[in-house]
Amino acid sequence: QVQLVQSGAEVKKPGASVKVSCKASGYTFTSYGISWVRQAPGQGLEWMGWISAYNGNTNYAQKLQGRVTMTTDTSTSTAYMELRSLRSDDTAVYYCARVTMVRGVTWYYYYMDVWGKGTTVTVSS
Amino acid sequence: QPVLTQSSSASASLGSSVKLTCTLSSGHSSYIIAWHQQQPGKAPRYLMKLEGSGSYNKGSGVPDRFSGSSSGADRYLTISNLQSEDEADYYCETWDSNTWVFGGGTKLTVL
Repeated sequence: QVQLVQSGAEVKKPGASVKVSCKASGYTFTSYGISWVRQAPGQGLEWMGWISAYNGNTNYAQKLQGRVTMTTDTSTSTAYMELRSLRSDDTAVYYCARVTMVRGVTWYYYYMDVWGKGTTVTVSS
Repeated sequence: QPVLTQSSSASASLGSSVKLTCTLSSGHSSYIIAWHQQQPGKAPRYLMKLEGSGSYNKGSGVPDRFSGSSSGADRYLTISNLQSEDEADYYCETWDSNTWVFGGGTKLTVL
């Protein structure tokens, strides 16, 4: 079955970096993209960025530009999200999600259709 | 870039039906959205993709009690025969030019 397995919880100090992994199985990794979404305690979902597993193209949320890098390793079907210069307000659960494309005659659209279970990142001194 | 607006909360009785709304901002009324369910303490789960025509495609294993419909800029998620496990947060999501947007979410309480 299609699944995304994320790495374990992390505790980091302010100013440090964190790298979260997301290993895909059950589908052809390079035929889809991966989005990263985070959720601060008690808050809604916030999109962080997207990477194409086909060609490595990325697009990041403007507020995270310069602090986040998303990569993939197609040999292991794994996506990675690195966030640098961590602050206390980066404390959140981080999710990866598979991105699927559908297309019509004149249009196409992407949406998230499989989610990982999440990785808790706590930033505290 | 589109904005998605959801009511912050909704409630309905066990066994009844409820209709949740996600409204697309002006100029984006034709957009496709996706609905996701997040039960307490769990990861989000994809429910369905919903087009402006009202056509929808559900994810694997999503019960028949869940359906979608559309009217103008509004996208609806209807849950029939409410069960206790339907108590959750529901988010809508859309895409534009390699950028994704979520609505603020609706917290559904099953009475």
